[in-house]
Amino acid sequence: AQTVTQSQPEMSVQEAETVTLSCTYDTSESDYYLFWYKQPPSRQMILVIRQEAYKQQNATENRFSVNFQKAAKSFSLKISDSQLGDAAMYFCAYRSERAGGTSYGKLTFGQGTILTVHP
Amino acid sequence: DAGVIQSPRHEVTEMGQEVTLRCKPISGHDYLFWYRQTMMRGLELLIYFNNNVPIDDSGMPEDRFSAKMPNASFSTLKIQPSEPRDSAVYFCASSLGDYKSIQYFGAGTRLSVL
Repeated sequence: AQTVTQSQPEMSVQEAETVTLSCTYDTSESDYYLFWYKQPPSRQMILVIRQEAYKQQNATENRFSVNFQKAAKSFSLKISDSQLGDAAMYFCAYRSERAGGTSYGKLTFGQGTILTVHP
Repeated sequence: DAGVIQSPRHEVTEMGQEVTLRCKPISGHDYLFWYRQTMMRGLELLIYFNNNVPIDDSGMPEDRFSAKMPNASFSTLKIQPSEPRDSAVYFCASSLGDYKSIQYFGAGTRLSVL
């Protein structure tokens, strides 16, 4: 079974600064997706960014980028120019893409990292 | 599109009562997922459907939990009888099931069982 580990229960950053959230995962599969979801106090789970395992290029979405190290099974999220609205719980998630397996399509989440942004 | 719609937003009930949570997926999506979020266990998948058919219910904690998807636009998660340890936030998510699909989440239902 796949596992996802976020070793930082809490992180904080000053507004306009850069912060990196860590995530590691364990899998024996070669085809998968990795995601970062944001959960603000409203509870809504919002997709921040995703990475296909077969792509070596790191995904970017505006101020959000990832550092994907497949061999090390590491998937960190970098938030540049942090804004007050970035304050939330961030979840790293794994999804198997091995069609036919019972885990196909299921998201496995890490424990989450609470990000605080100081003005 | 209105996104994934869950109801109710909050539910407070007493132990032993039946609870029904509802979900309307995004129109056209063929996968539907039910997740539960607790402080102790984090976010965990309970069950998911493909084209209204349950594919994997291995995450359903007990027989007290059941889920149905009578049509492509509606799903329910039922707990009968409810217990205090069922208190959690329950999320529904849907996706369009090609291999690049993204799961879109509803706002969740916060369930409190007294």
